[in-house]
This record gives sequence, structure tokens and C-alpha cells, in this order.
Amino acid sequence: DTAVSQTPKYLVTQMGNDKSIKCEQNLGHDTMYWYKQDSKKFLKIMFSYNNKELIINETVPNRFSPKSPDKAHLNLHINSLELGDSAVYFCASSLLGEGSGANVLTFGAGSRLTVL
Amino acid sequence: AQSVAQPEDQVNVAEGNPLTVKCTYSVSGNPYLFWYVQYPNRGLQFLLKYITGDNLVKGSYGFEAEFNKSQTSFHLKKPSALVSDSALYFCAVRGSRGSYIPTFGRGTSLIVHP
Repeated sequence: DTAVSQTPKYLVTQMGNDKSIKCEQNLGHDTMYWYKQDSKKFLKIMFSYNNKELIINETVPNRFSPKSPDKAHLNLHINSLELGDSAVYFCASSLLGEGSGANVLTFGAGSRLTVL
Repeated sequence: AQSVAQPEDQVNVAEGNPLTVKCTYSVSGNPYLFWYVQYPNRGLQFLLKYITGDNLVKGSYGFEAEFNKSQTSFHLKKPSALVSDSALYFCAVRGSRGSYIPTFGRGTSLIVHP
């Protein structure tokens, strides 16, 4: 029973297309995240969503938009894809607070996006 | 602003030898510190964390880390490395003040030679 699941795992598409990556968590966490991992393996936060509050990394182009229909889902939409968007995108979730398991991120397996 | 530095891109160690992967940080307030491991083509997995309490924290797979407040460091250690420990290791930090979103270091590739 996968804790954080992302679909699709692989996505190959042409420049200019619009695509979405879905993320679902079944851990009962209250916070979800999207990270981008580039070819050098650097991890960069893109968005975080907690209690209907969206925090956006200001360096993320507005072609990227998160959508959260409920606490268990945080989907990533990308418009007008560019070559530089090629990367692995990781969804994660966590529980904020003071408990023993709090603040620890659980990651999905990643979605590898290739833009041609 | 919070930041974390992993000064080594790669650490090489022989199987059976002790290993250390370095991490230093800068945050507002008290640090919440984490280590994660990433195996090839996988997501990151949590290893251990320090929020409060004993400076020496023990985690999964025999790893431990020592919080050093004066040196603002949180180095990952293991007494005896295994070939299966070869992976990419990330240190992450957030502060008790400011954003709850953790900042990750650039990652250190650990290679354990048989």
C-alpha cells in the first residue's frame, strides 16, 4: 500500500505541450510538497500546500501550477513545456507539529519528465 | 533564510571502515535537522532527525548523526560501512522560526568499495 504515489512515473513529451503529474498520499498528512531534482541531483522546493495555504517558491515560472482538490492530493500542472523543464519531480508529504513523526517528509518514487 | 552545506560531492570508503558525511547549516531559531538517503531511481527515504534531546541521534540501517551547536554541524556517521550503503545522502534543515519547508543540501554521493 504505497504511502505517497505519483503518476505517471515517466513522461516524454514535446516542447509547448501541457502536462500534469498527479500525487496522492494515504498517510493522513496535512502538508504536501513538490520538489524538482535536476540532472545534478539538486533538490529544489517548488510548492508547499498546508491547510489550504499555498506557498510558492518565487523562482518557479508561472507555467507551473499546483492544484489540491483535497488534503490527500497535490497535482502539478505544467503549461507550455520547455526543454529546461526536463527533470525528476518528487511529491512529498508530512505532518507538521511536535509529535515524534512530525516534520519528516515521505517522498514518492518520482516522475521523470523528458521534454523533446 | 535557512541554508545547508554538504561540502563533499563524493565520499569514498572501503567496506568495513567507518564513514562520515558532512553537513553544516544556518537557520533562524533552533534547527530541525534531517538526513535522507536516495538509492538510484528511487525517492528519498528518511534516515534520522534531530529536533531536541541527545546530541547523538541513531537512525535506520546503523546510521547515526551528531548535532554540534557550536559548529552548526550535523555529520552523518556509521562505524562500519557496507557496499549496500552506496547511495546519495541529503542533509536537510528547517528552523523553529520562519518557514516550515525544509531546505536540502546538494547531496553527497557515498561509494563503498568492496
